[in-house]
Amino acid sequence: DAKTTQPNSMESNEEEPVHLPCNHSTISGTDYIHWYRQLPSQGPEYVIHGLTSNVNNRMASLAIAEDRKSSTLILHRATLRDAAVYYCILLRGSTLGRLYFGRGTQLTVWP
Amino acid sequence: TAGITQAPTSQILAAGRSMTLRCTQDMRHNAMYWYRQDLGLGLRLIHYSNTAGTTGKGEVPDGYSVSRANTDDFPLTLASAVPSQTSVYFCASSREISYEQYFGPGTRLTVT
Repeated sequence: DAKTTQPNSMESNEEEPVHLPCNHSTISGTDYIHWYRQLPSQGPEYVIHGLTSNVNNRMASLAIAEDRKSSTLILHRATLRDAAVYYCILLRGSTLGRLYFGRGTQLTVWP
Repeated sequence: TAGITQAPTSQILAAGRSMTLRCTQDMRHNAMYWYRQDLGLGLRLIHYSNTAGTTGKGEVPDGYSVSRANTDDFPLTLASAVPSQTSVYFCASSREISYEQYFGPGTRLTVT
C-alpha cells in the first residue's frame, strides 16, 4: 500500500485557518486521498476525501496538488473541538478498502 | 440512528480465556472492519468483510477470528487471549468497500 508522510504535530490558535500537509509521492492513479481525525478517547471520524479535484464539505476543504503527490487539509477556522489527531490515508479503489493509518498529525488548538 | 455500537465498553480478561467483542451497525452497510489501536502504532486492520457471508484478513489477523452471518453484525473472537492483545478495538463500517468508514466508540480490552 502506498504510504503517506505527515508532520507529527502542528499548532494553531482558535479562529485561525489551519493547513495540514500530507505527502504521498508513491500514489497511484486509483488511490483516493482520505482524511480522518480522532478526538481523544473516541473512534476515528471521517473528514473528507478526493481523487484529483479539490473538495469542500461542511467540515473542511481538501486541496490536491496537480501531480497528486501531496495534499492539504484545510480547516478554515479552527475551534478547540478541532484538536485531534488527523490521518491522511490513501485508499485504493480497486482493492479491499483497507485503511492504512499512520501516526497522523496531532493538532493542538490554543484559545 | 445509533450508527455503530460496540460491546462491552471495556473488559479485563485473564490470559488463555476466550472472548467475543460485539459490533452492530444499523446503516445497512455492506462492508465492516475491525481495527486495533495501540499507543504509538496508530490503527491496524485485523479483519474485514466486504459483504455478509465473506471475510478477509487484514494486517494483524493472528489470534483473532470473525464471522459475518448477516449484514448488521460482525463479532470478533479471541479464542485464547494473550497479553499482547491488550488494546483498544474499533469496529467500523462503510456502504461499500472504498467508501468512507464510520467507527464505533471502541472496546478497551486488557489481558492479564
